Amino acid sequence: KNQVEQSPQSLIILEGKNCTLQCNYTVSPFSNLRWYKQDTGRGPVSLTIMTFSENTKSNGRYTATLDADTKQSSLHITASQLSDSASYICVVSGGYQKVTFGTGTKLQVIP
Amino acid sequence: EPEVTQTPSHQVTQMGQEVILRCVPISNHLYFYWYRQILGQKVEFLVSFYNNEISEKSEIFDDQFSVERPDGSNFTLKIRSTKLEDSAMYFCASSEARTSLYQETQYFGPGTRLLVL
Repeated sequence: KNQVEQSPQSLIILEGKNCTLQCNYTVSPFSNLRWYKQDTGRGPVSLTIMTFSENTKSNGRYTATLDADTKQSSLHITASQLSDSASYICVVSGGYQKVTFGTGTKLQVIP
Repeated sequence: EPEVTQTPSHQVTQMGQEVILRCVPISNHLYFYWYRQILGQKVEFLVSFYNNEISEKSEIFDDQFSVERPDGSNFTLKIRSTKLEDSAMYFCASSEARTSLYQETQYFGPGTRLLVL
């Protein structure tokens, strides 16, 4: 069964600090992996998308990595801001439009 | 910046009633999707739609559900006879025609919160 596991489930960090969120998946075949940011009560917003040939992708203060051999991905947030408080969701596509969402990591950035 | 819009933002209905959730995808997009998110749970894929037909659907998308693109701008999700467990946030998404099979960003709408009583 295709699964996407994320850790930690929740995280609290101080404003200005860095953090790294993890994603492990068992989806096969693999097409691409995306990280989304979802504010409470809103739709997910795409941060990065990576195919099997890409190891890293950056979008401003967000940097995603992908190890297709170990089926792991991480999202690193640099110099966190209060507006980074949200759920971060890892989404893996396996084959044509088959997508599996992770349960998300709820990040809270405090002053 | 163009965005996906959804109406209504909230819908309350009685069990057994039919509901239609509406979405206006980004104008030059050709692929359309519906997802749902039960409160406190992860987002789940329901269906994808291209060229006026369903291209993929999940096991959740049973005969109670249907999708339609009635005109050039709207994309609708109909639930024929709602059940209590249909209560969730429903997200519409769209993506443009792909230049590469593996590169496609889906843009999500703000969601419709459906409550079935």
